[in-house]
Amino acid sequence: DQQVKQNSPSLSVQEGRISILNCDYTNSMFDYFLWYKKYPAEGPTFLISISSIKDKNEDGRFTVFLNKSAKHLSLHIVPSQPGDSAVYFCAASAIIQGAQKLVFGQGTRLTINP
Amino acid sequence: KAGVTQTPRYLIKTRGQQVTLSCSPISGHRSVSWYQQTPGQGLQFLFEYFSETQRNKGNFPGRFSGRQFSNSRSEMNVSTLELGDSALYLCASSVGSGWRNEQFFGPGTRLTVL
Repeated sequence: DQQVKQNSPSLSVQEGRISILNCDYTNSMFDYFLWYKKYPAEGPTFLISISSIKDKNEDGRFTVFLNKSAKHLSLHIVPSQPGDSAVYFCAASAIIQGAQKLVFGQGTRLTINP
Repeated sequence: KAGVTQTPRYLIKTRGQQVTLSCSPISGHRSVSWYQQTPGQGLQFLFEYFSETQRNKGNFPGRFSGRQFSNSRSEMNVSTLELGDSALYLCASSVGSGWRNEQFFGPGTRLTVL
């Protein structure tokens, strides 16, 4: 049962345009969400996060939107740059039975074309 | 400041053997989390240690265990290896426990089980 889904395995965007990466979750207990970026042969890098008490969080070119009623979050990158080409993972966390759980999506490979 | 280091970077074992992976966190970080990344299951949380105590645990069998030392270095052990344990094992460190503290990942240990 995939509790966190990134339905697009890949996305191709032209440099300078907006990249929108989507993530859906099923468990309404998730209350904190994170996005990570991963280059080949490197560990993931934290990008941005959002708490369920917010619906938007912005950090430079990166903005995360959370729609709790739809159980959907998205990461917007504006403007997209070639260095943004990487695999992006969303993750959701919750405290379940006294322990913190973290569940990742399968990842979306973003390619920025010059 | 040195980043998170993991040793060894690559490892080949055979079924039934056991393996120990090591992770040295960023200086001053007291939390170390371990993750498994496979093509089929994606990124999955294994467990987190904070101040030598396991704080959180994912859904992995008891063959997967870990520990943390007083200097915050952590080891992960997998006993009775199975083919399906072939994966990239990542560790991440953070100042505090839980994912609301920014995590910094190491490059991972690539384990191949033959």
